[in-house]
Amino acid sequence: AQSVTQLGSHVSVSEGALVLLRCNYSSSVPPYLFWYVQYPNQGLQLLLKYTTGATLVKGINGFEAEFKKSETSFHLTKPSAHMSDAAEYFCAVTHSGGATNKLIFGTGTLLAVQP
Amino acid sequence: DTGVSQNPRHKITKRGQNVTFRCDPISEHNRLYWYRQTLGQGPEFLTYFQNEAQLEKSRLLSDRFSAERPKGSFSTLEIQRTEQGDSAMYLCASSLDSLEAFFGQGTRLTVV
Repeated sequence: AQSVTQLGSHVSVSEGALVLLRCNYSSSVPPYLFWYVQYPNQGLQLLLKYTTGATLVKGINGFEAEFKKSETSFHLTKPSAHMSDAAEYFCAVTHSGGATNKLIFGTGTLLAVQP
Repeated sequence: DTGVSQNPRHKITKRGQNVTFRCDPISEHNRLYWYRQTLGQGPEFLTYFQNEAQLEKSRLLSDRFSAERPKGSFSTLEIQRTEQGDSAMYLCASSLDSLEAFFGQGTRLTVV
């Protein structure tokens, strides 16, 4: 079975500050990991994904995440927060061996950006 | 291509009524997923289609729920005899034999 834990349901940063959103996963098989962003009353937009290869992955809007197998983590970072980054962020896991590639999501982290 | 389209965007219904939602995936995407998202939670998998075949259903999908994907194009999700606990955002996603699923904007259901 696979699962995702997102530490911190609410994170608040100042504009221009570092953004760090934490995600830890559990998987008995090599995981594929994703970060999605959701704006109010909208669907989910893919920020970035890790499948295989380079463990530091870069995504849209200046976000990046590093896959650390030893720590079972896939934390999301952005060097400098912008007001438009305020949204809810979801970490998700799946794996290549599954027939469906269904996503297992964490409970989300709501990011607030203060001026 | 305008992405995954879901209709309606909002639905308010009385308890006990039946509702049906529609999802139009990105053209030629063979995989289609339905997820449910309640307030303060991440999306939870409901069901999966590959082309017209429904290959997996979650235990969350009670017998009041039914989904179809005729001809492997659009999909419908019907909830019969709605309950207040069915109030949620219902999200549809599609993909083309890849890991990148594209989500629609969702249908928000409120059962009163």
